[in-house]
Amino acid sequence: AQTVTQSQPEMSVQEAETVTLSCTYDTSESDYYLFWYKQPPSRQMILVIRQEAYKQQNATENRFSVNFQKAAKSFSLKISDSQLGDAAMYFCAYRIYTGNQFYFGTGTSLTVIP
Amino acid sequence: KAGVTQTPRYLIKTRGQQVTLSCSPISGHRSVSWYQQTPGQGLQFLFEYFSETQRNKGNFPGRFSGRQFSNSRSEMNVSTLELGDSALYLCASSLGQSYTEAFFGQGTRLTVV
Repeated sequence: AQTVTQSQPEMSVQEAETVTLSCTYDTSESDYYLFWYKQPPSRQMILVIRQEAYKQQNATENRFSVNFQKAAKSFSLKISDSQLGDAAMYFCAYRIYTGNQFYFGTGTSLTVIP
Repeated sequence: KAGVTQTPRYLIKTRGQQVTLSCSPISGHRSVSWYQQTPGQGLQFLFEYFSETQRNKGNFPGRFSGRQFSNSRSEMNVSTLELGDSALYLCASSLGQSYTEAFFGQGTRLTVV
């Protein structure tokens, strides 16, 4: 069974600083996708970044980057130059290569301190 | 381009009643999946539809059902509501089953009293 674990229920970061959110997952599949979604108070789930398991290169999207360790089944999110608008709940998610079924972690609530 | 639209946004129902929630995916998207979000259980997969066929179902009782219409709009129905069904119900749409991009709606907040 696929499981996704986020061990940090809450994190805080000073504005302009860097923060790393942790995520581990368990799967027996070899082809899959990993995602970080952001859910602000508006409840809209917004895709932050995605990683294809077959790609060794870590994905980056502007200030957001991941550290994908396939053997360790680890997928952490690094947010650089944190901004007030980054404050939200962040969910790590896994999806098998085919199908549209996501498995989500329990989320990390990120607070950005001005 | 309009996003994923879920209606209604808020709903209050009484135990024992039934409820129907609607999800209109992004135009051209054929895959819709549903999730239940609660503080205790987090986000849990309910079911997935593609081209009017249920492709996957999560571990929920038979009181939870869904369907998808020819225009890709999807509905989920919960019968005999229980207090524990109070949750945020989210739907996500994507072009097809193997596309990585999935877009979420803002959800329907269901409260069962």
